[in-house]
Amino acid sequence: AQRVTQPEKLLSVFKGAPVELKCNYSYSGSPELFWYVQYSRQRLQLLLRHISRESIKGFTADLNKGETSFHLKKPFAQEEDSAMYYCALVYGQNFVFGPGTRLSVLP
Amino acid sequence: EAGVAQSPRYKIIEKRQSVAFWCNPISGHATLYWYQQILGQGPKLLIQFQNNGVVDDSQLPKDRFSAERLKGVDSTLKIQPAKLEDSAVYLCASSRLRGTAGELFFGEGSRLTVL
Repeated sequence: AQRVTQPEKLLSVFKGAPVELKCNYSYSGSPELFWYVQYSRQRLQLLLRHISRESIKGFTADLNKGETSFHLKKPFAQEEDSAMYYCALVYGQNFVFGPGTRLSVLP
Repeated sequence: EAGVAQSPRYKIIEKRQSVAFWCNPISGHATLYWYQQILGQGPKLLIQFQNNGVVDDSQLPKDRFSAERLKGVDSTLKIQPAKLEDSAVYLCASSRLRGTAGELFFGEGSRLTVL
């Protein structure tokens, strides 16, 4: 079955430190992968998608088909990056979300 | 544009009672999703509509859950009778495009507590 794993439930880093949120997926076809973010008291929203290969709010994510990973990275974390981050796999017409990682950026 | 609207925001019921949640997607969005998010977990798809037709309801517990989108616009999700394990946030999302091409826009969610 198609699955998305995010091994860290909580990730704490200091402001200005690099951050990497891990995402691995299981899917035999050509995946489409997204990162969604939920800031405190806000609704879940799209952060970035792999097909656009863009940087949003300083975050980037590269699809590694060999390692079946789509890790989210930012070189210098900011306090406003503190949020829940969900990796999502899209296949066919289905969106499958990972369990999420809570990022806490400490001052 | 107005976002996805959901109501009620919070609901507390006792087990075996029934509850209904309402969702109004962004205008013009053909695809509508209902997700269940249990505390500490990611959203889990319950049902997906394309206009007024069901695309995927394979994970919907059909003995107690039902959903409809009769006119292809707003949608209602019902639980009857509720169980303790139904306590969760019920998220509605919509997408302009069908399937993978479209970004999902989420509502604020309806938090259900079953006592």
